[in-house]
Amino acid sequence: AQSVSQHNHHVILSEAASLELGCNYSYGGTVNLFWYVQYPGQHLQLLLKYFSGDPLVKGIKGFEAEFIKSKFSFNLRKPSVQWSDTAEYFCAVNLGFSGGYNKLIFGAGTRLAVHP
Amino acid sequence: DAGVTQSPTHLIKTRGQQVTLRCSPKSGHDTVSWYQQALGQGPQFIFQYYEEEERQRGNFPDRFSGHQFPNYSSELNVNALLLGDSALYLCASSLFGTEENQPQHFGDGTRLSIL
Repeated sequence: AQSVSQHNHHVILSEAASLELGCNYSYGGTVNLFWYVQYPGQHLQLLLKYFSGDPLVKGIKGFEAEFIKSKFSFNLRKPSVQWSDTAEYFCAVNLGFSGGYNKLIFGAGTRLAVHP
Repeated sequence: DAGVTQSPTHLIKTRGQQVTLRCSPKSGHDTVSWYQQALGQGPQFIFQYYEEEERQRGNFPDRFSGHQFPNYSSELNVNALLLGDSALYLCASSLFGTEENQPQHFGDGTRLSIL
C-alpha cells in the first residue's frame, strides 16, 4: 500500500538553527507532493507543493523542499528557523492525479519546537 | 473570501449514537474531501465528493457516509459510533479539474469525542 513516512516525530531547535525534515513515500508512479503546516490552534496550511519541473521548490516563510525521485524523498528545509516556526509539519502525497480527482496521503507529522 | 468552515467545533457523543458533521467549502471550490485525524497521527482520507456524488473513498467502513448539496456544502455522517471514532474530522475543499487546483484548503475541523 502507498504510504508516506516522516522520519522525525519531534524536533527541538534553537532559533537561527537550520532545519531539515525528512519525508519519503512509497509509490512508483507519478506523484504530486506537498508540505502542510499546522500552527497551534490553527488549520492546516499549504507551505509548498511540487507538481513537475525544477525539483527544488520554494514556499512561504522561507521554506523550501527538494524532490529526489531516485530516493522517493521530498525533504523540507529552512536555513534559519524562528520561534514562530513552532508548529506541526505534514508531508503529503497525491498519487497519480488524473481525471480531476485527488486524495492526499499524509505522513504522521513532525512536531517542531523552536526555543528562543 | 471565506475559507473552509466546519460545524460544530466540538461534539461529544456516546457509543452507538450517530453524528452529522457539516462543511462549507471555500468560495469558488466545488469539491469536498473529508479526513480523519486521530491523536498523534496525520489525516487519513475518508472520501471525496464532487457533483453531489462520492468519487473516491479511503479505507473506512460503511458506517461513514456523506452527502454533497447543490451549493457544494457537504455532510459527513457516522453511524454506530465506536470509541475509536474519537478524532479531529477535517474538511478540505478544492476546485475540480486542473492540476494547479489540487492543493486542498482545510477547515479548522470538528473535534469528536466518544464516551
